[in-house]
Amino acid sequence: AQTVTQSQPEMSVQEAETVTLSCTYDTSESNYYLFWYKQPPSRQMILVIRQEAYKQQNATENRFSVNFQKAAKSFSLKISDSQLGDTAMYFCATHQGGSEKLVFGKGTKLTVNP
Amino acid sequence: NAGVTQTPKFHILKTGQSMTLQCAQDMNHGYLSWYRQDPGMGLRRIHYSVAAGITDKGEVPDGYNVSRSNTEDFPLRLESAAPSQTSVYFCASSRPPQGGGTEAFFGQGTRLTVV
Repeated sequence: AQTVTQSQPEMSVQEAETVTLSCTYDTSESNYYLFWYKQPPSRQMILVIRQEAYKQQNATENRFSVNFQKAAKSFSLKISDSQLGDTAMYFCATHQGGSEKLVFGKGTKLTVNP
Repeated sequence: NAGVTQTPKFHILKTGQSMTLQCAQDMNHGYLSWYRQDPGMGLRRIHYSVAAGITDKGEVPDGYNVSRSNTEDFPLRLESAAPSQTSVYFCASSRPPQGGGTEAFFGQGTRLTVV
């Protein structure tokens, strides 16, 4: 069974600084995908970044990047130049290739302080 | 495009009452899922459907029913609501996984309170 673990229930960072959110996962599949979703106070689930397991290169989307360590089954999210609008819950999720199953971690609440 | 539309956004229900949460998507996605979100629990899948006429149980299906008569709609029914079903409910759609691993697109959520 797939599991996703986010070990940091809450984190805070000063505006303009860099923060890293941790995520580890467990899967027996060789073909899978990893995602980070952001949920601001509006409750909307927003995709931040995705990573395909067969790609060695770490995904990057503007200020957001991941550190994907496949052997360690680790998928951390780095937010650079943090902004007040980054304040949100962040969920790590894994999607098994060839399946419709999306498994979420319990989330990390990030607060960006001015 | 509207994407995934959920109604209502908020609702208060009495114990024992029934209600249907609506989900509609206009992206011609095959896969639809219902999740519930509870504090400290992340999102857990309730039921899902891979195509019209096909539904299956997710991780926490008890107390919920679904049906899917067409591609667009995937209603979630609570037949006899219980306080334990107080939660935020999300509907999500995605394309089939062939070449897959595409992300899920979520509706805005329904905050349901059962008193």
